[in-house]
Amino acid sequence: QKEVEQDPGPLSVPEGAIVSLNCTYSNSAFQYFMWYRQYSRKGPELLMYTYSSGNKEDGRFTAQVDKSSKYISLFIRDSQPSDSATYLCAMSAGVGNQFYFGTGTSLTVIP
Amino acid sequence: DTAVSQTPKYLVTQMGNDKSIKCEQNLGHDTMYWYKQDSKKFLKIMFSYNNKELIINETVPNRFSPKSPDKAHLNLHINSLELGDSAVYFCASSQLFGQVAGELFFGEGSRLTVL
Repeated sequence: QKEVEQDPGPLSVPEGAIVSLNCTYSNSAFQYFMWYRQYSRKGPELLMYTYSSGNKEDGRFTAQVDKSSKYISLFIRDSQPSDSATYLCAMSAGVGNQFYFGTGTSLTVIP
Repeated sequence: DTAVSQTPKYLVTQMGNDKSIKCEQNLGHDTMYWYKQDSKKFLKIMFSYNNKELIINETVPNRFSPKSPDKAHLNLHINSLELGDSAVYFCASSQLFGQVAGELFFGEGSRLTVL
């Protein structure tokens, strides 16, 4: 069983839709939760990171962590064609520990 | 100026050959990594170096040998290439190992195809 599970999609939505991307994990030691965005033929870039449980908002993006359910989500409001990319969740137990990535969800936003 | 640069971007080679990928970061970071991303986009760590010292060596065939001549460079040499080695190899760096308050900076990837 992988440390982090993520639905690979693909997900296709119309412009302006709300998108929900999710990951589950098995390691209760994970404390830091990140979302990376990867455009085609590019390296992943950090989008957001959250510590422990709770919500974090940054513009159109909201990251949620529910440690009791071992479940994290990324919501994208008013999705734009420029949001079309693969979104990878990543998790870590903290400084000095490696990151574990999900398999990524491919998102296409149709104009 | 690219923060993490890797060369070459594309490699097409025959089974059994040896190839190298080079990586350089100009961010002044102490830690560098090699990740492998398969066709399903799964990103898995292979190696990590902190200040030229190997700190992570995941279960990777010993045909893969990383080398860090200094903390700004991390190269990957692969001997006796196999079909299953076809993937995109990403170099990354961070200020500290496993730093989470900052981020991992990735290069653009080196796409290896073994025929």
